[in-house]
Amino acid sequence: QSALTQPASVSGSPGQSITISCTGTSSDVGRYNYVSWYQQHPGKAPKLMIHDVSNRPSGVSNRFSGSKSGNTASLTISGLQAEDEADYYCSSYTSSSTKVFGTGTKVTVL
Amino acid sequence: EVQLVESGGGLVQPGGSLRLSCAASGFTFSSYDMHWVRQATGKGLEWVSAIGTAGDTYYPGSVKGRFTISRENAKNSVYLQMNSLRAGDTAVYYCTRGSMDVWGQGTTVTVSS
Repeated sequence: QSALTQPASVSGSPGQSITISCTGTSSDVGRYNYVSWYQQHPGKAPKLMIHDVSNRPSGVSNRFSGSKSGNTASLTISGLQAEDEADYYCSSYTSSSTKVFGTGTKVTVL
Repeated sequence: EVQLVESGGGLVQPGGSLRLSCAASGFTFSSYDMHWVRQATGKGLEWVSAIGTAGDTYYPGSVKGRFTISRENAKNSVYLQMNSLRAGDTAVYYCTRGSMDVWGQGTTVTVSS
């Protein structure tokens, strides 16, 4: 099972919106609505930001939103803030009953 | 407070074994699937194993046959038995529940001679 493909880096200015893509296959992202997104600050454990493609856990800012089209899922961060600077990972359930993570994206707030 | 606390990491020689533990508190442990996820220094997240509420287990090809996940509901704990360890298994190992909404702080495993 290969890792899902994410851009290595995305950047934006405070207040702007950015979108991170997560491309898989018809055996994972394209087949199931079980895509999640995680935020990870340096030296910290990951934090769940979005689950089941577009659902935000309690306490997560509504500036974070998720969507999916075909084999590609996306995370959009609107109103970018300095605290959003972190690494972001997607994950998906697969047809092999396993999970797979994305390659990770470093978000930089300019 | 919902919490996961990993332990058991350390330095082990190639070919050796190690058993990681994860103690859960603050939620009904037996009602949740549990996962182990690892992260090598400077690298991305890698899913390592999962165990369902009925004890069903799942692994990626990279660890299948070498790692074994188990759980003990009476002790609110999940374990990862790691055998035939390789340098490539060096990482921080995280325990996480269900939809991965709660994570432990991680325990470091170093495989080196």
